[in-house]
Amino acid sequence: SQKIEQNSEALNIQEGKTATLTCNYTNYSPAYLQWYRQDPGRGPVFLLLIRENEKEKRKERLKVTFDTTLNQSLFHITASQPADSATYLCALEGGGNKLTFGTGTQLKVEL
Amino acid sequence: EADIYQTPRYLVIGTGKKITLECSQTMGHDKMYWYQQDPGMELHLIHYSYGVNSTEKGDLSSESTVSRIRTEHFPLTLESARPSHTSQYLCASSEPGAGGNEQFFGPGTRLTVL
Repeated sequence: SQKIEQNSEALNIQEGKTATLTCNYTNYSPAYLQWYRQDPGRGPVFLLLIRENEKEKRKERLKVTFDTTLNQSLFHITASQPADSATYLCALEGGGNKLTFGTGTQLKVEL
Repeated sequence: EADIYQTPRYLVIGTGKKITLECSQTMGHDKMYWYQQDPGMELHLIHYSYGVNSTEKGDLSSESTVSRIRTEHFPLTLESARPSHTSQYLCASSEPGAGGNEQFFGPGTRLTVL
C-alpha cells in the first residue's frame, strides 16, 4: 500500500542553523511533491512544489530536493529563526490532482 | 492570506444533532476539498469536487455529505453527529495549472461531539 513517512519526533535546532526535514514514500510515482507549513489550530500553508523531473527547488531560505530513485524529498530551512517553528507537511500529488499528506514533522527553533 | 473561509471555527454539539460546516472561497477555484485531521495525525481527504454539481468521495470513508451548487461554496453536512466525528475539518481549494496543484486551506472547524 502507498505510504508517506516523515519523522514523527520533533526536530529541535538552534537559531541560525539549517533545519533538514525528510519525507520518504513507498509505492508511489508522484508527478509532484509539495511542502506545507501548519501552525497549531490553523490550516496548512503552501511553501514549495517540485516536479518529478526536478532535482532541486529554492525559495528564499527554503530548499527542496526530490530524488525519485530513493523515493525521498529533503526540505531545508537555512538560517532558521524561532518564527520558523511549526509542523511541516509533505504531500504527494498523484492522479486527479489529489494530494496525500504525511503526518508532518514538528520543528522547534530555539534562541 | 488565502481567501477561503470556514465557519464556525469551533463547534460543540450533542450526539444526534444535524450540523453543516460552511466553506467559501472567493478565488473562483473550480476544485475544492474537505479533509479530516486528528491531533498529530495526517490530513485525510474525505470529499472533493471538480466544479459545480460535481462531488466525489475521498480516500477516507466518511458519513458526511457535501454539495456544490455554486463555485464558491462547498458545505459539509453530518445528518446525525456522533462522538466518533470529533475532529478538525479543513476545507481547501485549488486551480491546477501546468505547474501542479497548490492548495489553499481555510482555518478549519474544530468539531466536538459530546
